[in-house]
Amino acid sequence: QVQLQESGPGLVKPSQTLSLTCTVSGGSISSGGYYWSWIRQHPGKGLEWIGYIFYSGSTYYNPSLRSRVTISVDTSKNQFSLKLSSVTAADTAVYYCARDQISSANKDWFDPWGQGTLVTVSS
Amino acid sequence: DIQMTQSPSSLSASVRDRVTITCRASQSISSYLNWYQQRPGKAPKLLIYAASILQSGVPSRFSGSGSGTDFTLTISSLQPEDFATYYCQQSYDTPRTFGQGTKVEIK
Repeated sequence: QVQLQESGPGLVKPSQTLSLTCTVSGGSISSGGYYWSWIRQHPGKGLEWIGYIFYSGSTYYNPSLRSRVTISVDTSKNQFSLKLSSVTAADTAVYYCARDQISSANKDWFDPWGQGTLVTVSS
Repeated sequence: DIQMTQSPSSLSASVRDRVTITCRASQSISSYLNWYQQRPGKAPKLLIYAASILQSGVPSRFSGSGSGTDFTLTISSLQPEDFATYYCQQSYDTPRTFGQGTKVEIK
């Protein structure tokens, strides 16, 4: 059973870069058939998709964040990572990593999710 | 971006009630629609994918229907553990987008 776990600093200063890592266990990130996504949730709010990466390294980012986001993958460590630059208080959120399963009909869905990690942007 | 609008934003219901949540897309998304349940302090959990397919392990009291722009999540007999927030999400186009959520509370 695949499990995902986010890790990284819980506090980031304004204008700095937020960096998180998602470690995948119980399956290989290189197995194909999946995208690997980052999703965030502002306190008390809804869900915002940040972007995803394929094991080959190809990425797609939400245009609303594209200028500040980098998602990368390390297949040797079975991890993928998120970097969000020039953060402000508006980036304070719970950040989730999730597997994006692609079906034969080219439909996809997020399952499973990591437990989430709260990142607060504050000086 | 495809906008997803859920209604209602919140509802109060009793155990064993039948509950229906609707989700409308700003354009046709065929059946590229997923539903998630989020309990307080927890990560979202996939309930239904491709509009109507029940995820393995999810109780059969949950069902999904719809195609095009209008979709429905139904809980046939509400159980205490179902009090949570429910989100729809489209996978027709990028960026992936979610509805604003429907909070199901105890009456």
